[in-house]
Amino acid sequence: GENVEQHPSTLSVQEGDSAVIKCTYSDSASNYFPWYKQELGKGPQLIIDIRSNVGEKKDQRIAVTLNKTAKHFSLHITETQPEDSAVYFCAASGISGGGADGLTFGKGTHLIIQP
Amino acid sequence: GAGVSQSPSNKVTEKGKDVELRCDPISGHTALYWYRQSLGQGLEFLIYFQGNSAPDKSGLPSDRFSAERTGGSVSTLTIQRTQQEDSAVYLCASSFQVSNQPQHFGDGTRLSIL
Repeated sequence: GENVEQHPSTLSVQEGDSAVIKCTYSDSASNYFPWYKQELGKGPQLIIDIRSNVGEKKDQRIAVTLNKTAKHFSLHITETQPEDSAVYFCAASGISGGGADGLTFGKGTHLIIQP
Repeated sequence: GAGVSQSPSNKVTEKGKDVELRCDPISGHTALYWYRQSLGQGLEFLIYFQGNSAPDKSGLPSDRFSAERTGGSVSTLTIQRTQQEDSAVYLCASSFQVSNQPQHFGDGTRLSIL
């Protein structure tokens, strides 16, 4: 089955600086890669996603890049703000439990924005 | 409502009791997913429904876990004879279809087994 590795587990940046979170995946058949932001006590919120026919996608201060050959994808947040502090999860579509259509998640990155 | 709704938001029960968790997906979403999130961990996929059908139940942790969906809408996840290791946040998500569509999550049910 699919395996997703996410780094770093904790990332502390100064307000206004950029933050980059990286993920690798194992299943070359995966073709959908969403990113989620989770705040304390809340469910994950989809912030951006990318499909395998695209190398980069931007939405205001957030961008995602995908390298299918190397099987890695990254989240970039520019001009970070205090409200960006949260846990971020990457995920990949794939085969979970033998044929199901669930997402396989990384273990998360705790992003801390220092004022 | 506009989003995925889960109930109860919190559930505390004694070991050995049965619990039932409910998920009400976004209107019009045919696919529904259950995940489990243990403290400080990522999300573990459990099961998905396309309509009322769950094609693959192998992601469920044990035979104490079962799920059903009726009317193509509300789903329930049932855990029988709960154990302390079942303590986690159980999250539900829905999407317009299966096959690489954005999944939208509810805020989960925090289950604590004493």
